[in-house]
Amino acid sequence: AQKITQTQPGMFVQEKEAVTLDCTYDTSDPSYGLFWYKQPSSGEMIFLIYQGSYDQQNATEGRYSLNFQKARKSANLVISASQLGDSAMYFCAMREGQGGSEKLVFGKGMKLTVNP
Amino acid sequence: GAGVSQTPSNKVTEKGKYVELRCDPISGHTALYWYRQSLGQGPEFLIYFQGTGAADDSGLPNDRFFAVRPEGSVSTLKIQRTERGDSAVYLCASSLTALEPTQYFGPGTRLTVL
Repeated sequence: AQKITQTQPGMFVQEKEAVTLDCTYDTSDPSYGLFWYKQPSSGEMIFLIYQGSYDQQNATEGRYSLNFQKARKSANLVISASQLGDSAMYFCAMREGQGGSEKLVFGKGMKLTVNP
Repeated sequence: GAGVSQTPSNKVTEKGKYVELRCDPISGHTALYWYRQSLGQGPEFLIYFQGTGAADDSGLPNDRFFAVRPEGSVSTLKIQRTERGDSAVYLCASSLTALEPTQYFGPGTRLTVL
């Protein structure tokens, strides 16, 4: 079974509008972390935001916020006030457990296009 | 400060050849990770180093792949007898420690096996 599911292959949004990128995950480990990365056409993976499974508050970083719904196993990324530079691939990822291997498991990604 | 750097940025080789890909992590980061990203997919984990030792190499696809980090800083991913299916972008990431959640990625090396 896929551990990270991103079902939206692509989305279009108008500049200055908010957009939500969906991510669901699957784990039986009570301790895990969820991440969102942005990958522009240049190819570099840029860290955006992190949510720990025990964090009480939803994570926020500037225009990015993570809508963490633990019972539904979803970790949607919300980008407020979209900018043209937000056009890129977006990947949701999970790290399970603490200690041992700290590998990230990524979803397939989704392409966001911001239109002027 | 400087981010994660990877060299070369592009590598074209012929089937059967040997290649080495280099990763220079952020200074002071003790944990280093290699991932492989095929076209249209998310990155897939290959191997993770804590210091000089490989803490988890469960993602290496077969014994043609090997990685080292002899002094706990720079790492080299080595691929023997390359196959066309090895063509991908190889990404390196580092984190301050293994317990620090955020991994910072380099720009990747695009490997093309003809």
